[in-house]
Amino acid sequence: ILNVEQSPQSLHVQEGDSTNFTCSFPSSNFYALHWYRWETAKSPEALFVMTLNGDEKKKGRISATLNTKEGYSYLYIKGSQPEDSATYLCAFRDLDSNYQLIWGAGTKLIIKP
Amino acid sequence: DGGITQSPKYLFRKEGQNVTLSCEQNLNHDAMYWYRQDPGQGLRLIYYSQIVNDFQKGDIAEGYSVSREKKESFPLTVTSAQKNPTAFYLCASISGAGGANTQYFGPGTRLTVL
Repeated sequence: ILNVEQSPQSLHVQEGDSTNFTCSFPSSNFYALHWYRWETAKSPEALFVMTLNGDEKKKGRISATLNTKEGYSYLYIKGSQPEDSATYLCAFRDLDSNYQLIWGAGTKLIIKP
Repeated sequence: DGGITQSPKYLFRKEGQNVTLSCEQNLNHDAMYWYRQDPGQGLRLIYYSQIVNDFQKGDIAEGYSVSREKKESFPLTVTSAQKNPTAFYLCASISGAGGANTQYFGPGTRLTVL
């Protein structure tokens, strides 16, 4: 059974501080790793899709790294702002899963002003 | 505007009733998905459809049914056979094939069984 773990489950961060959290996934048979942001009362929105070991992606103050050999990805937020408050989801696809993503339970980030 | 719509936003069902959740997309995407979210868990796949008139069961299909008569529409029926249907339901679509393509989500339907 494929399993994707995200930690921590929730995180309170002071506005202006930087933070990071983790997505762990199976290290064999890797195909792609997705990060999504899900704000309350909105639809989940894609942040990054990562496919290569060592990939680093960046969008504004948010960046992500990927280590497929050890099975983890980090999401970093630099200088947190209140609008960063959301649940961050990661999803993994392996080579054998046709169209299916395996989702983590998410990290809920709350930025304190 | 292109996007995915789901209706209703909130739905209440009595035990023993079937209910249908609507999902419509105007993104011209081939594949559509239904997920269920429960507190503390990741999204779990109920059904997905890659093309019109074809669909496959996901991990938790028991007690659910779908149809894909049109490319734009992928309704989900929650039947009375679903033992614990109270949950948040998300519909998504994706262009083309492959797990490296972004999924686009609707706003969700919260179903409560009374």
